[in-house]
Amino acid sequence: EPEVTQTPSHQVTQMGQEVILRCVPISNHLYFYWYRQILGQKVEFLVSFYNNEISEKSEIFDDQFSVERPDGSNFTLKIRSTKLEDSAMYFCASTMRGSSTEAFFGQGTRLTVV
Amino acid sequence: AQTVTQSQPEMSVQEAETVTLSCTYDTSESDYYLFWYKQPPSRQMILVIRQEAYKQQNATENRFSVNFQKAAKSFSLKISDSQLGDAAMYFCASGLNTDKLIFGTGTRLQVFP
Repeated sequence: EPEVTQTPSHQVTQMGQEVILRCVPISNHLYFYWYRQILGQKVEFLVSFYNNEISEKSEIFDDQFSVERPDGSNFTLKIRSTKLEDSAMYFCASTMRGSSTEAFFGQGTRLTVV
Repeated sequence: AQTVTQSQPEMSVQEAETVTLSCTYDTSESDYYLFWYKQPPSRQMILVIRQEAYKQQNATENRFSVNFQKAAKSFSLKISDSQLGDAAMYFCASGLNTDKLIFGTGTRLQVFP
């Protein structure tokens, strides 16, 4: 069965450092997403990406965040200068045609900012 | 704006019994989709069941079924013959056609032997 792969599974970083979270979506999917889940809270939308550009972003997705799909397979989320409150589980998801088709989620990257 | 509300932070059920998890939503759109996701302790998000708003028939997947009440904007999940492996967080979510998913706050389901 096709799956979305995220690396690393756990990242510990010092406050102020840059981190890059990586995702390999399912190969024939067209829509890509990043979501965030702070421990014990709900899953929150960060950004959606289609046709090599951001299609929508939430208020959380400020200037310290960026996404790119550098080589047609990887989909990355970069946090330029991490803050303590960025500690969360970050999920990548992909779909064939948005919500009308199933969103496949990766296993998540647990980011811990110390 | 879409919103999703899950009013039950925790629910419990005896093994082999049936449990219903509640979800209400709000949207001004006519074309939307509703989902239930399961998040076990591993924290992976697993799709349980999906419902298209334009379909009147309630979706069913084996032991999982929904009660979709469009006028009331209600989308509850029924788990029949509960198993220990059903214990997890369950998130209700809604989405427009090519849009992101909006999640509720989740319901933690405990299953007792």
